[in-house]
Amino acid sequence: AQSVTQLDSQVPVFEEAPVELRCNYSSSVSVYLFWYVQYPNQGLQLLLKYLSGSTLVKGINGFEAEFNKSQTSFHLRKPSVHISDTAEYFCAVSRDGGGSNYKLTFGKGTLLTVNP
Amino acid sequence: ETGVTQSPTHLIKTRGQQVTLRCSSQSGHNTVSWYQQALGQGPQFIFQYYREEENGRGNFPPRFSGLQFPNYSSELNVNALELDDSALYLCASSLGAASGNTIYFGEGSWLTVV
Repeated sequence: AQSVTQLDSQVPVFEEAPVELRCNYSSSVSVYLFWYVQYPNQGLQLLLKYLSGSTLVKGINGFEAEFNKSQTSFHLRKPSVHISDTAEYFCAVSRDGGGSNYKLTFGKGTLLTVNP
Repeated sequence: ETGVTQSPTHLIKTRGQQVTLRCSSQSGHNTVSWYQQALGQGPQFIFQYYREEENGRGNFPPRFSGLQFPNYSSELNVNALELDDSALYLCASSLGAASGNTIYFGEGSWLTVV
């Protein structure tokens, strides 16, 4: 089984500051890793995913994440945030090669609040 | 806009009642998954349907059931509603059931059980 820990439940930052949202995972098998964003009263939107290859993954809206296998981490970063980035961010994992049963296991989320 | 549509968007039910939630997957997507998101929590996997067959189930009791139709739309049914069933129910679709495929979420159905 897989599990995800998002180390910060809330992260307040000022506009144009850099931000890092932390995610650690636990799994006995290889995993795929994802970050999703959820704006108020909306569903989830995929920001980026890591399947294989380069450990630095670039996503939409200027976000990027780095897969660190030795530290079992997949932290999300943005060099300069905007007010519009205020949202809940979820890290998720799925089993690598789970071809017949694809489920995402999510963390509890990190609320990013960008203040002017 | 993901192309995944869910209905109804909001509903209120009484404990013990039954509810049906509906989902239309993105065009061409043959796999639908359902997730429950309680307030302040991350989504939890309920089950997945692939080509009209249940293809995996999370840790939910049998009173949570579903269907997938030939056009790949899907229903989630919950019987004997309990207060703890109050949550946002998210439908997600993908092309194929393989892990790693991008899945697209709808905006969800908010269920309140009183």
